Amino acid sequence: DSGVTQTPKHLITATGQRVTLRCSPRSGDLSVYWYQQSLDQGLQFLIQYYNGEERAKGNILERFSAQQFPDLHSELNLSSLELGDSALYFCASSDRDRNTIYFGEGSWLTVV
Amino acid sequence: GENVEQHPSTLSVQEGDSAVIKCTYSDSASNYFPWYKQELGKRPQLIIDIRSNVGEKKDQRIAVTLNKTAKHFSLHITETQPEDSAVYFCAASKNTGFQKLVFGTGTRLLVSP
Repeated sequence: DSGVTQTPKHLITATGQRVTLRCSPRSGDLSVYWYQQSLDQGLQFLIQYYNGEERAKGNILERFSAQQFPDLHSELNLSSLELGDSALYFCASSDRDRNTIYFGEGSWLTVV
Repeated sequence: GENVEQHPSTLSVQEGDSAVIKCTYSDSASNYFPWYKQELGKRPQLIIDIRSNVGEKKDQRIAVTLNKTAKHFSLHITETQPEDSAVYFCAASKNTGFQKLVFGTGTRLLVSP
């Protein structure tokens, strides 16, 4: 167990819908990262937050948005969903003084 | 920005053989290089990492080497076992405090009994 908690574990939704994925980082970690992994693909960096502020942005679609709240949990919002958005979405966290990031178990999103 | 290339994309070995996975990075300022193992449908798990002030690091059957001049680093697994079968990702980042890990494309390792 990495200490990073993600919910829901599985989600099936229809095209055009909107979903929210939630992440609680490890205790004490201020940084949260979101990654997308499509079937048999690598880890695509989406976005990073540090202590509530956006710090880095990757290949995140405009239909996607994220935020980190004062209690440090984060949410990734995916809207106007398309079939191609079906993927495993990972949240990860780290503290400022260490490079090591730890992944949650992921949220499986299936768009039908 | 940083770009990490990883080879090979697939690697098949017999149990007991050694396996080597190689990565190159583009940003000479990168100084942290972790390796993650991901089993099917599960989260990537850190297995070993190395920082730029070290050339080699070993942990039981796995070792990582770093050549900063050539900007490449490698994962070595000795005496492979079937449970080593997984996808392995290398990554690189700069120690800026707000580091962004850039991952390689992954290597699928299959260890046959």
